[in-house]
Parts: sequence; structure tokens; C-alpha cells
Amino acid sequence: EVQLVQSGAEVKKPGESLKISCKGSGYSFTSYWIGWVRQMPGKGLEWMGIIYPGDSDTRYSPSFQGQVTISADKSISTAYLQWSSLKASDTAMYYCARKRSIAARENWFDPWGQGTLVTVSS
Amino acid sequence: DIQMTQSPSSVSASVGDRVTITCRASQGISSWLAWYQQKPGKAPKLLIYAASSLQSGVPSRFSGSGSGTDFTLTISSLQPEDFATYYCQQANSFPGLTFGGGTKVEIK
Repeated sequence: EVQLVQSGAEVKKPGESLKISCKGSGYSFTSYWIGWVRQMPGKGLEWMGIIYPGDSDTRYSPSFQGQVTISADKSISTAYLQWSSLKASDTAMYYCARKRSIAARENWFDPWGQGTLVTVSS
Repeated sequence: DIQMTQSPSSVSASVGDRVTITCRASQGISSWLAWYQQKPGKAPKLLIYAASSLQSGVPSRFSGSGSGTDFTLTISSLQPEDFATYYCQQANSFPGLTFGGGTKVEIK
């Protein structure tokens, strides 16, 4: 079974750093792009960026460029999303999702991880 | 970025009703469009890709159509488990992928 399992909920203070994870299983981790999506409380889905674990090629949505860092460790089939200095406005649910196929233009995603809730509050 | 506009933002419907949700792209995206369903507290689930292809395991009452800038998701006979929020996503502009604002399907 193809599966993405994300790390657990986090509660942090403004200014702290954070790295959350997304572990893939049941498929060749290095062959599929993995993306990250933000969902702020009560709001819609926002695309953040994407990484190809095979060579760590990483692309960011302009809205998130410079705000977060996406990385991957193919030796443990895990992708990461990290912040160097959190803000209250980073409070949200974060999902990872795998491209459905390896075909270059088929940029739709399945499966998704279960989500990681990040709460930033003083 | 390509902007995706969904309408309506919410719809009230009864079990058995036919429900249609529209998604409009700010520029042509051919058939590079997907639809997702999200239930409260759950991750989104892929329903339709390439504008009209049904994802494996998704009931046939769901269908998608359209190309260019105008797209439609139709639920032919609404079931209790279909009450959820639906999102379109354009897949044409990589890595600037974008979602529509969502359509909440509520019980009338």
C-alpha cells in the first residue's frame, strides 16, 4: 500500500524553528515528486512547493519562496518542511502529497499524508 | 500564477440531488485539472484528474468535464457520504500549482 505518514502535531513559540516530516512507503520514494500544502484554520488549500527526492530538485510557490525550506533524505524515504523562525501566521495544518504518477505533466496528487497541525503561539 | 475561481462557494442539497460545481481558470489550461474532496478533519482525496478521468475507487456518480478555462464537477445523485468540501487544482503551471477556493456541499 502506498502511504505517506507525517510527524505529529507541534506547538511552538514565535521565533522558534521547526522541521516536520513525511515518510513514504510502499513505492519507490526516489521516483515521485512530493509536495507540501498549507491549510490555515477554516480556509482553503495553498500550494507551497515540491521536491523530487531522486535528486533533491526543489521548486517553491512564489508565495512561500524564502519562507520555508523543503528537503528530503532518500536514505530514509522522508521529506521535510522546515521553518527557521516561526510566526503566529504559520499556524495551520500542513499536508504532504505524492504526485499520482511519474509522468512529467501530470501534476495531481495521490496519496496524501494525514496532516501535521502546527500551532504557533506565545 | 494562474487563478482558479470556483462557484458556488457553498451549496445546500438533498440526498439524491444532482450537484454541479464550476471551476474557471484565469488562462487556458487545456485539460490539466484535478478535483479533490475533503471531509472535516481529513486530508484531501483525489477524485478526478485530467479534467474527466475518474481516480480508481471513486464512485461513478462523480464526473468531470471541460477544457481550456471552464470545468465542471458533477455528482449525479448526492449520497450522505458526499457532504464535504470540493477543490479544483490546475496542473498546467508547474511549480505554480494553484487550487480553487473550495465549494462546501451541505445538507439541505
